[in-house]
Amino acid sequence: QQQVKQSPQSLIVQKGGISIINCAYENTAFDYFPWYQQFPGKGPALLIAIRPDVSEKKEGRFTISFNKSAKQFSLHIMDSQPGDSATYFCAASMRGAQKLVFGQGTRLTINP
Amino acid sequence: DADVTQTPRNRITKTGKRIMLECSQTKGHDRMYWYRQDPGLGLRLIYYSFDVKDINKGEISDGYSVSRQAQAKFSLSLESAIPNQTALYFCATSDGGRAGAHNEQFFGPGTRLTVL
Repeated sequence: QQQVKQSPQSLIVQKGGISIINCAYENTAFDYFPWYQQFPGKGPALLIAIRPDVSEKKEGRFTISFNKSAKQFSLHIMDSQPGDSATYFCAASMRGAQKLVFGQGTRLTINP
Repeated sequence: DADVTQTPRNRITKTGKRIMLECSQTKGHDRMYWYRQDPGLGLRLIYYSFDVKDINKGEISDGYSVSRQAQAKFSLSLESAIPNQTALYFCATSDGGRAGAHNEQFFGPGTRLTVL
């Protein structure tokens, strides 16, 4: 079963718009929620991560919003640029496990 | 130079053949992982190793085996490849760090494997 569910599978946004990708999880033992970004032909790379003791984390144009009660978290990309076109994966892990459980991935396309 | 390298980058093989994918890292990390990526399924963990003498199964280990030859090398083998093992395979590493800490995983460039 998929422990982390990600949506949408694909997303097209106009340049300058806001891109929003959502993830939901079931296991309340998860306590670390990273987002990875993958460009074509490359491996994923860590973009931004959050722990459940905060509701939001912002790094530049990228923001994670976290809703612990709903067991959901989302990635917001403000002022989306063509260079943001990539596949994005949410993930989760438990303290001490050192294993990541990934969502299904979202292919984001930013039209110029 | 890349910190995490994978060889080969592309491989086409036939059903029933044995194949080995290799991963090397120069990051000095203790922990190494093998994932496969399939469209619509994301990244799924095959095997992971926290040091040379430690091997653990991931969520989809059936049909695969691994070998941790040294701290820097972690190989994935398909003893008898089948078409549904066609996928993109990634190796990743992370620092052991503090006990219980969450540490960033660094991924290699991937191996695209096709089993005919």
